[in-house]
Amino acid sequence: NAGVTQTPKFQVLKTGQSMTLQCAQDMNHEYMSWYRQDPGMGLRLIHYSVGAGITDQGEVPNGYNVSRSTTEDFPLRLLSAAPSQTSVYFCASSTPGSPYEQYFGPGTRLTVT
Amino acid sequence: GQQVMQIPQYQHVQEGEDFTTYCNSSTTLSNIQWYKQRPGGHPVFLIQLVKSGEVKKQKRLTFQFGEAKKNSSLHITATQTTDVGTYFCAGLKTSYDKVIFGPGTSLSVIP
Repeated sequence: NAGVTQTPKFQVLKTGQSMTLQCAQDMNHEYMSWYRQDPGMGLRLIHYSVGAGITDQGEVPNGYNVSRSTTEDFPLRLLSAAPSQTSVYFCASSTPGSPYEQYFGPGTRLTVT
Repeated sequence: GQQVMQIPQYQHVQEGEDFTTYCNSSTTLSNIQWYKQRPGGHPVFLIQLVKSGEVKKQKRLTFQFGEAKKNSSLHITATQTTDVGTYFCAGLKTSYDKVIFGPGTSLSVIP
């Protein structure tokens, strides 16, 4: 099993550009989520999904879109990149219940200039 | 909205000293999780606590969930350099709810 994979690992965007961060998992997990990590801010939830076709907003959803057409994939779209979106983005997956262990991908480091 | 807080933000200890980080939620939680993130890495799950007053141990690590299910702590006995990293707590109100992380406690261990 590859676990949770994220692409790309690094990305530089100009203000106003759009892009999609890819996330895939091969563990048949129902629950997937996107976090951003900024220094001193911990991990802030952007969007999450409890299953294919179902998504919901987290703490900081503005400027980001998600969709969940399959169990495996959960892409995160930046509609019009802004410097405030410079961050490290982590995707995670898990099966709800007990234990509720979230498996994290390696992250995407995004810089918006 | 739901908030999860952690103290301290940073902790520097001599190798062999003990370390404790505290986690507090603004709302009652169904369960709480703890994660460790090494510098440059991604968060890795350590443990989940579900029951009121629950205490779990993993070698030198002791985790507690408060009686009111609104606070938790992680205690490391006799720290080692391998304990270096940031420790996060994360809370859920229900099993299908969003997972909200605290800001983390960064631990440095001086050899």
